[in-house]
Amino acid sequence: AQSVTQPDIHITVSEGASLELRCNYSYGATPYLFWYVQSPGQGLQLLLKYFSGDTLVQGIKGFEAEFKRSQSSFNLRKPSVHWSDAAEYFCAVGADTDKLIFGTGTRLQVFP
Amino acid sequence: EAQVTQNPRYLITVTGKKLTVTCSQNMNHEYMSWYRQDPGLGLRQIYYSMNVEVTDKGDVPEGYKVSRKEKRNFPLILESPSPNQTSLYFCASSSKPLRRRQYFGPGTRLTVL
Repeated sequence: AQSVTQPDIHITVSEGASLELRCNYSYGATPYLFWYVQSPGQGLQLLLKYFSGDTLVQGIKGFEAEFKRSQSSFNLRKPSVHWSDAAEYFCAVGADTDKLIFGTGTRLQVFP
Repeated sequence: EAQVTQNPRYLITVTGKKLTVTCSQNMNHEYMSWYRQDPGLGLRQIYYSMNVEVTDKGDVPEGYKVSRKEKRNFPLILESPSPNQTSLYFCASSSKPLRRRQYFGPGTRLTVL
């Protein structure tokens, strides 16, 4: 069965520092991969997605993610974090079934 | 403006009192879904619908019902709510289930006493 793991529950970074949020998935074939962001009191907004092709995908708000098949990973990165990036981030995996499986989320805290 | 709306946004109720959370989208999407979000568990799918009159169970359907009589609406029904259904609920829609983005509603925070 497909699954997704976000090993970091909570990450704290200083404003301006680089960021990497980890996501590992379990699926036999190439899955559809997504990163969503949830700001406090808000719904989820899509940051980026990967279906096929170039393994480095660019998203909104300066985020990017790299699909690494050998590591079953789809880590989210940003070179310089802004205070407004403080939020909860969810990785999601889709496969041949008609549903997405979400990770448990990583809460990002940004210090000035 | 493309959007998914949910009502109510906040609800406090008591055990056993039937309630309905409405969800409506204005994008003519075929696919709609309900999730619940709980601390440490992420989002878990309750029910989804591929089109009008087509619904299916997600990962945590127990205690919930849904209907899809119109394309734009996908209400979530709790016939007899219990405290373990206290959660944050999100409705989502998309034109295709996986290959396109899902648009999420703002959420409904439900407390069952």
